[in-house]
Parts: sequence; C-alpha cells; structure tokens
Amino acid sequence: DAKTTQPPSMDCAEGRAANLPCNHSTISGNEYVYWYRQIHSQGPQYIIHGLKNNETNEMASLIITEDRKSSTLILPHATLRDTAVYYCIVRLRGLRGSQGNLIFGKGTKLSVKP
Amino acid sequence: GAVVSQHPSWVICKSGTSVKIECRSLDFQATTMFWYRQFPKQSLMLMATSNEGSKATYEQGVEKDKFLINHASLTLSTLTVTSAHPEDSSFYICSAHQGGDTEAFFGQGTRLTVV
Repeated sequence: DAKTTQPPSMDCAEGRAANLPCNHSTISGNEYVYWYRQIHSQGPQYIIHGLKNNETNEMASLIITEDRKSSTLILPHATLRDTAVYYCIVRLRGLRGSQGNLIFGKGTKLSVKP
Repeated sequence: GAVVSQHPSWVICKSGTSVKIECRSLDFQATTMFWYRQFPKQSLMLMATSNEGSKATYEQGVEKDKFLINHASLTLSTLTVTSAHPEDSSFYICSAHQGGDTEAFFGQGTRLTVV
C-alpha cells in the first residue's frame, strides 16, 4: 500500500469548513483513498473513500487532485463533535480475507474550537 | 452501516490473570476479523487476523500463545490476553468487513488496564 503524509495537527473554528490535506504521491492507479476518523477512546469510524472523482456523502466531501497525488477531506461545517484524529489511508479495494486490514499512519489531530 | 460490537468496553484485571474480549458483527457475517492494539498517543497497530474456522495469523512480534484468538462462528471472534502484565495495558480494537468490496467497520474498542 502507498504511504500517506498528513499534518500532525490542525485547528478549525466551529461552524467553519475544515480542510484536511493528505499527500499520497506514490499511489498506484488501482488504489483508493480512504478516510477514517477516531474520536478519543473510540474505534475508528469510516468517513468516505474515492478513486479519482470527487465524492460527497452526508459526513464529508473528498477532493482528489487530477494526478491523484494528493487529496483533501472537507468537513463543510465543523462542530465540536468533529474533534478527532483523521486518518488518510491508501489501499486497493476489494481485498478479501486476510488482506482486508488497514494500515494506519499517525493521522491529523483536528481540534474544533468554539 | 454495518455494526461491529466489542465487549467489554473497559476492564481492569490483576497481573497474571487472563482477560477475554469479544468482537461481534451484529448484522452481517464476517469470515475475517482483525485485531488491533493502540498505545497512548500512538496509531493503531495490527496484531492478528482472525479467520473463521481456522487458526489466526499473527503479525511479527505478537506472541500467539499470549494473545489467543478464537473465531468459532461467522459473527464472533474473541481475543484472550493470557497472564496479563501491566505492559499489556492498551486499547484493543477489532474490525470486520461486510464483504470484500466494502469498507471496514470497527468495534468501539476495549480499554484494558492491568494492575
């Protein structure tokens, strides 16, 4: 799986958009970009994933650059409950069985402030 | 989305005793589940892959005789920390896939404190 680079921490004002960057310059053509978050003392929570098109769901938007070497997770209106560590993970999709584990980096600690 | 449930959410045990942690997929069957460990201020590290009906696969450096994994059904995997020591105190998390093409779902984690 390709490696990712994320800033260790970011702050965001409540109600504003939080834009979390991720670099994955060695991503291969069939690898997806996944985002998970981990609120303190809880298990990780799936947010969104994408291959090359931008994606949006009820939680967030994912913007992937045309060369796919970086992406940005956007939380459009951050709330205090969005304070968490956000992990960007690049991996092949459809891996079954013992290949289905995720490799977590250090992520970005997002602090949403009132 | 699919739900994965862990029990207990926290446990305190005495050094030398054993602790069992359960991981259940509540609304889907999982032939494979994963066990992770997370020390304070660190990221999740994969410990082992739990396979229904067969032996678990352990990552390098994880003692299989200390961390016993049983995956006896398609909805339940258990991790038993045997002869626990204070250095085993950690946050243990399981995950499962609903199917090969879906995202992973995680349990809420179990905080183990060995005193």
